[in-house]
Amino acid sequence: GNSVTQMEGPVTLSEEAFLTINCTYTATGYPSLFWYVQYPGEGLQLLLKATKADDKGSNKGFEATYRKETTSFHLEKGSVQVSDSAVYFCALSDRTGGFKTIFGAGTRLFVKA
Amino acid sequence: NAGVTQTPKFQVLKTGQSMTLQCAQDMNHNSMYWYRQDPGMGLRLIYYSASEGTTDKGEVPNGYNVSRLNKREFSLRLESAAPSQTSVYFCASRVEGQPQHFGDGTRLSIL
Repeated sequence: GNSVTQMEGPVTLSEEAFLTINCTYTATGYPSLFWYVQYPGEGLQLLLKATKADDKGSNKGFEATYRKETTSFHLEKGSVQVSDSAVYFCALSDRTGGFKTIFGAGTRLFVKA
Repeated sequence: NAGVTQTPKFQVLKTGQSMTLQCAQDMNHNSMYWYRQDPGMGLRLIYYSASEGTTDKGEVPNGYNVSRLNKREFSLRLESAAPSQTSVYFCASRVEGQPQHFGDGTRLSIL
């Protein structure tokens, strides 16, 4: 079945550092891939998405490229801010799963001033 | 600009009590979902409703029931609460094939 694996946290960085959160997936079809962000006390919000191979999703300085050959969708940001502290979830959805969304376990990011 | 609204935001129950968590969306979405979020386990799907009048089990349905009351509302019921059901519960909705929209969650503690 479909699955998503993302790096364990927490990840602790200083402000302006480079961020990478790794995500790999297993899927029988051709899934759409997502990154969601969850701020303390809130629900998940869509951060970015990519729907086909080689697509790059981007939003608020974050980027992720859909790599079919490595089944990966790593999240990157060139310069993190304290306000980026949150939990980040990688997820996939495809037709063979009835369009249900499969989430990774989440990676908590702490950014220090 | 309400999106997905969940009530209540917090609740404490005693073992064996029953409770219904409410969810409503105002985006005219066909599909609605209930998840639970536990530390280190991401989100696990409890039940979902692909359209009004249909419901299906997800990954962890035991101990829960759902009702898709109409297109807007999708409720989750715990008939006899157990401590293992202490969790944060999220409702979500979407148009098929598009990203989900989430509520802010219900934090449920069962003593």
